[in-house]
Amino acid sequence: GAVVSQHPSWVICKSGTSVKIECRSLDFQATTMFWYRQFPKQSLMLMATSNEGSKATYEQGVEKDKFLINHASLTLSTLTVTSAHPEDSSFYICSASGLGGYEQYFGPGTRLTVT
Amino acid sequence: AQSVTQPDIHITVSEGASLELRCNYSYGATPYLFWYVQSPGQGLQLLLKYFSGDTLVQGIKGFEAEFKRSQSSFNLRKPSVHWSDAAEYFCAVGAEFGNEKLTFGTGTRLTIIP
Repeated sequence: GAVVSQHPSWVICKSGTSVKIECRSLDFQATTMFWYRQFPKQSLMLMATSNEGSKATYEQGVEKDKFLINHASLTLSTLTVTSAHPEDSSFYICSASGLGGYEQYFGPGTRLTVT
Repeated sequence: AQSVTQPDIHITVSEGASLELRCNYSYGATPYLFWYVQSPGQGLQLLLKYFSGDTLVQGIKGFEAEFKRSQSSFNLRKPSVHWSDAAEYFCAVGAEFGNEKLTFGTGTRLTIIP
């Protein structure tokens, strides 16, 4: 149980375009979802926290107009990178919680490459 | 705000040898502590967690960790490593209950040699 999926697992897009990443909790209702960014050989940096039906809470320094997060249902959250640039290339990981006990369940990640 | 320090960036251990990965945290109250493992290009898998109670916690894959409040530490141990344990290990600390935000350490990369 407690499986979180992400789609796509890998995406290449051209500079200036937008790309959407989906995060789904497959077997539980995720009241809260988190989006992280991870640079090569570095730790996870929390970008934002989203609760179902509410606006996301962004961490300091994260551009909310560039990284649009939607948490429309208890099983789906999306991250849209708008007007992507090469510096947005990174590994994006989502996690979900909602089973109680404070635990987050992580998706497998999405590698974004902007050319 | 809470913080986590993993002093060892990279550790190399022989297969079958014991392992200890260090984690120190900073938080004013009783922390919620986690160890996660990440294989290359993958998401994170929870190894174990500490919320309260017994300070020695058992996790999956033969791992254990001990919470030592006096040392602000939560070190991960395994008595005998396997080649499949080669991965990146992250320690994380959670804030007050209800917040659920995690702060991750910088990670320790574990290499296993035959």
